[in-house]
Amino acid sequence: AQSVSQHNHHVILSEAASLELGCNYSYGGTVNLFWYVQYPGQHLQLLLKYFSGDPLVKGIKGFEAEFIKSKFSFNLRKPSVQWSDTAEYFCAVKPKAAGNKLTFGGGTRVLVKP
Amino acid sequence: SQTIHQWPATLVQPVGSPLSLECTVEGTSNPNLYWYRQAAGRGLQLLFYSVGIGQISSEVPQNLSASRPQDRQFILSSKKLLLSDSGFYLCAWSEDRGPYEQYFGPGTRLTVT
Repeated sequence: AQSVSQHNHHVILSEAASLELGCNYSYGGTVNLFWYVQYPGQHLQLLLKYFSGDPLVKGIKGFEAEFIKSKFSFNLRKPSVQWSDTAEYFCAVKPKAAGNKLTFGGGTRVLVKP
Repeated sequence: SQTIHQWPATLVQPVGSPLSLECTVEGTSNPNLYWYRQAAGRGLQLLFYSVGIGQISSEVPQNLSASRPQDRQFILSSKKLLLSDSGFYLCAWSEDRGPYEQYFGPGTRLTVT
């Protein structure tokens, strides 16, 4: 079965710092990739997604992610974070040949200090 | 537009009592429906999913069951709760065709005492 690893469980940084969250998956075939975000007290919501085409995808709120197939990675980045980016971030993978189920990583809690 | 509802938002139940959590989706038809449990540091664990009325797939053996009595209604149940059933339960839906991105409800915080 496929697995998804988010190596950083907690990240603390100051406003205006750059953010990069790692996501690696174990599956050899073609995948759909997602980043979800859960702000304090809010629903889990989709941040961005990759299905095909340009491996650099842009999402909401200035986030972007790059799919590197050779590294089985889909890292999330933001050049300059704001206090409002404090949230928990989840990477998810769906093999295209494996039906309708997503496999989620363990999540990364990000705290942005004002 | 589509919306997903879950209730109750919070629930405190004694050990051994029954459980019923409900999830409904509006604005779509024949969705795929999912129940997850979210534990701190462990991400989201898929418990059940359903591709249609009466069709339930269980992902992990446990004290819980799921049912889908109507197209846009998904219920998570237990006959007798255990302490280990405490957690945050999320319902999600996706279209019934790829790429299957999922949309989540607000969740239910269950505390078993």
